[in-house]
Amino acid sequence: AQSVSQHNHHVILSEAASLELGCNYSYGGTVNLFWYVQYPGQHLQLLLKYFSGDPLVKGIKGFEAEFIKSKFSFNLRKPSVQWSDTAEYFCAVNAQAGGSYIPTFGRGTSLIVHP
Amino acid sequence: DTGVSQNPRHKITKRGQNVTFRCDPISEHNRLYWYRQTLGQGPEFLTYFQNEAQLEKSRLLSDRFSAERPKGSFSTLEIQRTEQGDSAMYLCASSFAGTQLYEQYFGPGTRLTVT
Repeated sequence: AQSVSQHNHHVILSEAASLELGCNYSYGGTVNLFWYVQYPGQHLQLLLKYFSGDPLVKGIKGFEAEFIKSKFSFNLRKPSVQWSDTAEYFCAVNAQAGGSYIPTFGRGTSLIVHP
Repeated sequence: DTGVSQNPRHKITKRGQNVTFRCDPISEHNRLYWYRQTLGQGPEFLTYFQNEAQLEKSRLLSDRFSAERPKGSFSTLEIQRTEQGDSAMYLCASSFAGTQLYEQYFGPGTRLTVT
């Protein structure tokens, strides 16, 4: 069975600092990769996704993520965070299992950005 | 609002009682997922439907849990003989599975408290 590890459970930054959140998965087959974000009091929403092609994907609000297949990683980055980026961030993997794609989420990283 | 909706938003019940939650997906989406999320964890997959067919169930899903999607539109999740360990946020998500692009749209969740 696949698993997803998010190594940073809590991150605290000041505005304008750079951000990198780690995500590693364990599955050797075909995967689709996602980052979701949950702002305080709101639903989970998609930040960005990778299916194939360019391993560097860009999402909303200046976020990007790089898929490194050899490292089974899909780290999320942003060069300069804002106070409004304060949220919970979840990495997720859809790994094919018997013809279907079963989604697995990491436990999340809580990001607090101080103004 | 044409997003995913869930009802009720909050449910408090006594141990041993049955509860039922409803999810209305985005109308053109043919896939519907149920997740459970506890504090400090990411969403945990429970089950999903493609149209009215229930295609996958998590091995973690107890026999006390049952889900239906009778007409391929809304879905219900029932928990029988609730236990305190069932206290969690129950999330519903929907997607369109015409290709591998299983981008999921989440609802606000139903928070269950078992006393």
